[in-house]
Amino acid sequence: GAVVSQHPSWVICKSGTSVKIECRSLDFQATTMFWYRQFPKQSLMLMATSNEGSKATYEQGVEKDKFLINHASLTLSTLTVTSAHPEDSSFYICSATSVTGDNSPLHFGNGTRLTVT
Amino acid sequence: AQSVTQPDIHITVSEGASLELRCNYSYGATPYLFWYVQSPGQGLQLLLKYFSGDTLVQGIKGFEAEFKRSQSSFNLRKPSVHWSDAAEYFCAVAPGDSWGKLQFGAGTQVVVTP
Repeated sequence: GAVVSQHPSWVICKSGTSVKIECRSLDFQATTMFWYRQFPKQSLMLMATSNEGSKATYEQGVEKDKFLINHASLTLSTLTVTSAHPEDSSFYICSATSVTGDNSPLHFGNGTRLTVT
Repeated sequence: AQSVTQPDIHITVSEGASLELRCNYSYGATPYLFWYVQSPGQGLQLLLKYFSGDTLVQGIKGFEAEFKRSQSSFNLRKPSVHWSDAAEYFCAVAPGDSWGKLQFGAGTQVVVTP
């Protein structure tokens, strides 16, 4: 089955530094990837939609300059949290859709736990 | 406004008993509907989905869900729960023209007792 790999699975960083999270589709080509954020005990909130070769589309209230998204190939999208602060600590999950449009819904990664100290 | 509601934040069920998780949605048209399960610290696993056709949908792990248009509901059921079913369950919807952009409900935490 389709697999989406996220790396790292967890990361701790100091306030003010930047952190990059990778999302890879391992056995299919993903034209579109989505980034979600999940705060403790809460649901997932869509942050942005990432299309290969074009700029990401951010949801209302998500700072595009803080959460940089790059989707340079059909198998890789990255989310960079710039100048991270403790309030950015969260669980970040990516998902991907295949180019075949096979009506198969999203394939989710296992998430990245970010802790900003 | 579009919304997804899971009325039950927390449900405790005995192993072997039946389980039903409620989900109601508010959308302009019939959206795509999904149920996902999340174990602690993990990503999401798709249990089942409804796009069109038969309103009773069978999923993995013995789960099923029924789409009821008149009630704007998509409730998840399992006849007999196993201890391994303890997890967080999310109902999600996506617009028909962009089924990748999921809007999630708040989730229901399921606890299974011996």
